[in-house]
Amino acid sequence: GQNIDQPTEMTATEGAIVQINCTYQTSGFNGLFWYQQHAGEAPTFLSYNVLDGLEEKGRFSSFLSRSKGYSYLLLKELQMKDSASYLCAVEGSNDYKLSFGAGTTVTVRA
Amino acid sequence: IAGITQAPTSQILAAGRRMTLRCTQDMRHNAMYWYRQDLGLGLRLIHYSNTAGTTGKGEVPDGYSVSRANTDDFPLTLASAVPSQTSVYFCASSDDAGKAFFGPGTRLTVL
Repeated sequence: GQNIDQPTEMTATEGAIVQINCTYQTSGFNGLFWYQQHAGEAPTFLSYNVLDGLEEKGRFSSFLSRSKGYSYLLLKELQMKDSASYLCAVEGSNDYKLSFGAGTTVTVRA
Repeated sequence: IAGITQAPTSQILAAGRRMTLRCTQDMRHNAMYWYRQDLGLGLRLIHYSNTAGTTGKGEVPDGYSVSRANTDDFPLTLASAVPSQTSVYFCASSDDAGKAFFGPGTRLTVL
C-alpha cells in the first residue's frame, strides 16, 4: 500500500515563497505527481517527477528524492490565485494507480 | 465533448436507492478511475480500469460497482446508497505517461 503525508495547512504572504513537503512510504514507486485544486473544482496537473532532482516550470518547481521517499513543491512569487489545495500523488510501479495524500491547503494573504 | 465529463453535477438521493454516476472521456485514454473526496481524507480510489473490458478494486470499493464496456465510458453504480456515501465523486482518465485528467465532479448527498 501507500502512505503519503503532507501538511494540512500553510499560510504565506503575496510575493513570498512557500515549500510544501510530501513524504511517502510505498510498496512500489514509479513517479510522483503534484496537483492543484481550487475550492469546488477538479484537481489539475502541476508537475511529474520520475528521477531525483528538481523540475522547474515557471513559478512552480518540484523536487524528488527517491531514496528518501521525499518530494516538495515550491511556489515562488505567490499570487492570490495560488490559494488552493495542493495534492501529492504517488504512482505505483505494479499497477500504475495514483494514490493521493490528503492535500495541503495554502492560503495567500495580501 | 472536450476532455472528461461527468453527470449529474449534483444529486440528493434517499438511502437505499440505486444510483449511477456517469463518466465519459474523448481522449482515448486506456486507464480510467473513480475517486471520492471527503474533507480531511483527500482523494481515495474506489475502482479503476486499465483498459476496456477490465476493472479493478481500489482502496474503498465496498458498496460500489463499475463497468467498462468501451474506452470512453466508465459508469459508477451505488446499488443501495447509504449516508456514508455522501461525498464528491471525481472520475479521471490518464494518458500513457500516467498524467491524470479529472472530470468536474459529482456532489452526492445521501439522506
